[in-house]
Amino acid sequence: DAGVIQSPRHEVTEMGQEVTLRCKPISGHNSLFWYRQTMMRGLELLIYFNNNVPIDDSGMPEDRFSAKMPNASFSTLKIQPSEPRDSAVYFCASSLAGGGETQYFGPGTRLLVL
Amino acid sequence: EDQVTQSPEALRLQEGESSSLNCSYTVSGLRGLFWYRQDPGKGPEFLFTLYSAGEEKEKERLKATLTKKESFLHITAPKPEDSATYLCAVLRGSNYQLIWGAGTKLIIKP
Repeated sequence: DAGVIQSPRHEVTEMGQEVTLRCKPISGHNSLFWYRQTMMRGLELLIYFNNNVPIDDSGMPEDRFSAKMPNASFSTLKIQPSEPRDSAVYFCASSLAGGGETQYFGPGTRLLVL
Repeated sequence: EDQVTQSPEALRLQEGESSSLNCSYTVSGLRGLFWYRQDPGKGPEFLFTLYSAGEEKEKERLKATLTKKESFLHITAPKPEDSATYLCAVLRGSNYQLIWGAGTKLIIKP
């Protein structure tokens, strides 16, 4: 059974460019989470979707960040324009039923903004 | 303030040398405590969920326990492949959001 799939695995871009990260959750899971991980701040929740609807985006750093989930099998996290301080590893996780269930993580996208 | 603290930050052991990792928490209305393992360059991998004080769960050389204030991850006779960062996270009240600890980096030397 396929786990959470993320693409790209690595992204190097220049400041000011648009970056789009993609996630395919585990089939049948209806909760999806986007996280950012850095050495300084650890894992931070950016946004949480339940049944494709954004429930809480209070962790999104600023208006440069946006996320969508057009259907149950696909989500995107977009950064426009990107800045060097956005450099981090971005993880997508999914869970079955409500947010209290175990979250399963993808392999992450390592983003470097020059 | 809800908080999860893991100790030590790093732990170096010889192969076969048993030890424990600690995760202490201060949250209201604990719903569950989760342990994950993270290898370099990979996403966190789920290990255990504990729901109530006194509960224990085991998997191979790992055993997780839970009290009202903390959880321990006991590692018995570890092998080099057990080297990883171990993360603890807590789910509280009616919230969906996990509160994460900073992790313990475990290094097992052959």
